[in-house]
Amino acid sequence: QVQLQESGPGLVKPSETLSLTCAVSGYSISTGYYWGWIRQPPGKGLEWVATIFHSGTTFYNPSLESRVTISLDKPKNQFSLKLTSMTAADRAIYYCARLVTYYHDTNGYSIWFDPWGPGTLVTVSS
Amino acid sequence: QSVLTQPPSASGTPGQRVTISCSGSSSNIGSNTVAWYQQLPGTAPKLIMYTNSQRPSGVPDRFSGSKSGTSASLAISGLQSEDEADYYCITWDDNLNGPVFGGGTKLTVL
Repeated sequence: QVQLQESGPGLVKPSETLSLTCAVSGYSISTGYYWGWIRQPPGKGLEWVATIFHSGTTFYNPSLESRVTISLDKPKNQFSLKLTSMTAADRAIYYCARLVTYYHDTNGYSIWFDPWGPGTLVTVSS
Repeated sequence: QSVLTQPPSASGTPGQRVTISCSGSSSNIGSNTVAWYQQLPGTAPKLIMYTNSQRPSGVPDRFSGSKSGTSASLAISGLQSEDEADYYCITWDDNLNGPVFGGGTKLTVL
């Protein structure tokens, strides 16, 4: 059974860089799949942040691309997120998840995030 | 503002059938499939539907999904109190080259 667990600081100062890690158990991230981060401001909806393929290819939400970096740590079987220049608008629960993708000739892409980590709340305050 | 449009709220009484819509465009729902999540308060989203109408193991058959054109729907029949949650749709967007979520629908069981 694949399980994910986020870790990182719960509090970041404005203008500083957020660093989060997602530890994966039950599956080797070197084997396959995409791995990603999603965030959710308290009381609001879900926003895709970034995704990385097991080969290292990355995809970023254009609205965050200038500030975000996702990377793999294969020996530790974990992946990480860095978000620079943090502001109050970045306050959110940050989830890591595995992204499952399939391409159908007739239906296009089928994608879903599963499983998810429990999430970690990040607050931005001085 | 989300790329995919969902009604902010929906409601029904126990036993009723409710439907939640997810509207997009030709670059997302129109050319790719849709998945749905259920999120209970204080928990991570749970996958309840993928590839438009496929239920993961353990999801009751009271939940069903469909897609037509640039819109998708999640139907819940025999509504139960434990179905009260937030529901989100997700699909791939060819222009964004990434996943996009709906804004979420808060389902209340009256």
